[in-house]
Formats: sequence, C-alpha cells, structure tokens
Amino acid sequence: AQKITQTQPGMFVQEKEAVTLDCTYDTSDQSYGLFWYKQPSSGEMIFLIYQGSYDEQNATEGRYSLNFQKARKSANLVISASQLGDSAMYFCAMSLLRANSKLTFGKGITLSVRP
Amino acid sequence: GAGVSQSPRYKVAKRGQDVALRCDPISGHVSLFWYQQALGQGPEFLTYFQNEAQLDKSGLPSDRFFAERPEGSVSTLKIQRTQQEDSAVYLCASSLTGTGVDQPQHFGDGTRLSIL
Repeated sequence: AQKITQTQPGMFVQEKEAVTLDCTYDTSDQSYGLFWYKQPSSGEMIFLIYQGSYDEQNATEGRYSLNFQKARKSANLVISASQLGDSAMYFCAMSLLRANSKLTFGKGITLSVRP
Repeated sequence: GAGVSQSPRYKVAKRGQDVALRCDPISGHVSLFWYQQALGQGPEFLTYFQNEAQLDKSGLPSDRFFAERPEGSVSTLKIQRTQQEDSAVYLCASSLTGTGVDQPQHFGDGTRLSIL
C-alpha cells in the first residue's frame, strides 16, 4: 500500500531564509502524483505544488520548488525567502492513477517563521 | 465565491444523534472527495464521487457513514448514531476531471464536528 512519511519535528526558519521540508513516499506504482498542501491555523487546505512521476524536471511555483529524487523516493518542498505568512502545517500527499487519484497524506510538518 | 463551500463550519452533536454535512464543489468539477482529519493528523480518505456515481467508499469507517451526490454537484456526508470517535474535521475537495493523477484537489474550509 502507498505511504507518505514526514518525520521532521517542528521546523523553524528565519524570515527571508530558505527552508526544506522533507517527504519520502513508498509505492510500487509507476504512475503517481505528488502534492504539497499548506494548512494555516484557520484550517483551509491550500494547494502549493505538484510533481508527476514521469516529470523529468523539478516543479516550481513562485517561491515553492519541489526537489524530486525518484530513485530515493523523496519529494522535498523548498520554500525560498520565507515570509511570516508561511507559518503553517505542511502536508505531502500522493495520488495513484489506479486508485481514483484519491490522496494519501503524511502526518504533516509544522513550520514556524521567525521575524 | 468560486471555491469549495462546506456547511456548517462547526457542528456540535450529542452522542447518538444523526448529522449531515454539506459540500458544494467548484462549479463544473467532476470529482468530489471526502476526507476525515483527526486533530494533529493528516486527512484520511473517506469516499470519492465522479459526477453522481460513488466509485470508491473504501475509507468509510463504518456503515453509520453514508455519502451521496445525487445530481453530480452538491454532496452530503451523513453520519448516523454519532459516537465520540467521529469527532474530527471533515474536509471536502473537488477536482476538474475524473481521471489522472495530475489534477490538484481544491479543498473547502471543512466542518469541525464535535460529539459530546
């Protein structure tokens, strides 16, 4: 069965610095997608970035980039130039083509940005 | 608004009561998903609709949980004879197409359910 692992404890970063949030995944499927979502304390789940299993280049969306290492089964999120508003819970998730694309989430990582 | 809308935002019920949670997806979105998020955890899949068809209900924890999407738009998640372990945030998400792993799911703000 597919699994997402996020093991970092709460992360802290200084404002304007970059931070990497780790995510490893486990699946034997060849066709899958990897997503990162942000969940502020208000509760909404905000889509950040997507990486497909066949994509050869790392995905980028503004200040977010995904460091995709397929052989190591890792999909780390890099946030550049951190802002106070980046403080939130971050979830890595995976979808499988054969499983109706439902998302399997990790447990999440809490990021706190210090001024 | 253009986003996924869920109501009520908060729901408090006594153990044994029935509850109904509503989700209004983004207009035109084919796929609709329900997830349950316990405190401090990631969301867990409950069920999936493609238009009005419920294609996957493997995540529903018991037969007390029932979901429908009769006209392929609004969906309702119903929980009968609620128990304390049903306390959680229930998230609804929609995506544009019915297939493909590359479709981001867009989430509502969730319904926080508390069972007393």
